[in-house]
Amino acid sequence: GAVVSQHPSRVICKSGTSVKIECRSLDFQATTMFWYRQFPKKSLMLMATSNEGSKATYEQGVEKDKFLINHASLTLSTLTVTSAHPEDSSFYICSASEYPGYEQYFGPGTRLTVT
Amino acid sequence: GDSVTQMEGPVTLSEEAFLTINCTYTATGYPSLFWYVQYPGEGLQLLLKATKADDKGSNKGFEATYRKETTSFHLEKGSVQVSDSAVYFCALSGVSGTYKYIFGTGTRLKVLA
Repeated sequence: GAVVSQHPSRVICKSGTSVKIECRSLDFQATTMFWYRQFPKKSLMLMATSNEGSKATYEQGVEKDKFLINHASLTLSTLTVTSAHPEDSSFYICSASEYPGYEQYFGPGTRLTVT
Repeated sequence: GDSVTQMEGPVTLSEEAFLTINCTYTATGYPSLFWYVQYPGEGLQLLLKATKADDKGSNKGFEATYRKETTSFHLEKGSVQVSDSAVYFCALSGVSGTYKYIFGTGTRLKVLA
């Protein structure tokens, strides 16, 4: 149980375009989902926390207009990287928890490459 | 602020060697502590966890004990295998009134046959 999927697993896009990454909880309802970014050989950096049906809470230094997060249902959250640039290339990982404070279950990650 | 410090890697061991990866934390209150493992190209998998002082988490031969007096949660395994090669992250949660996870920088383990 407690499986979280991400789609796509890899995506390559051109500079200036937007790309959407989906995060789904497959066998439980997630009231809270988290989006992380991982730089090469570095730790995970929390970007934002999203609660179903409300606006995401972004961490300091994360541009909310660039990284649009939607959590429209209890099983789906999306991260849209708008007007992507090469410096946005990274590994993006989502996690989901049934309720705030409950254990987080992590997705397999999405490798974004912006050319 | 709250933080997690892990020993820098990479750690290279021969198969069947003993493994220790050090992790210490700084936190207000009483956090839960976790070890996650990340295999190449994949997301994070929970390896083990401990929610209060003196708890020992264990899984797949790995274990770690929540030491409040030394604010540590060192990961150990008595005999590593090549398949244990991965990056290991120590993390805490449940401090400063939030449920956010705070991760260490990760320690890469390479086990040679």
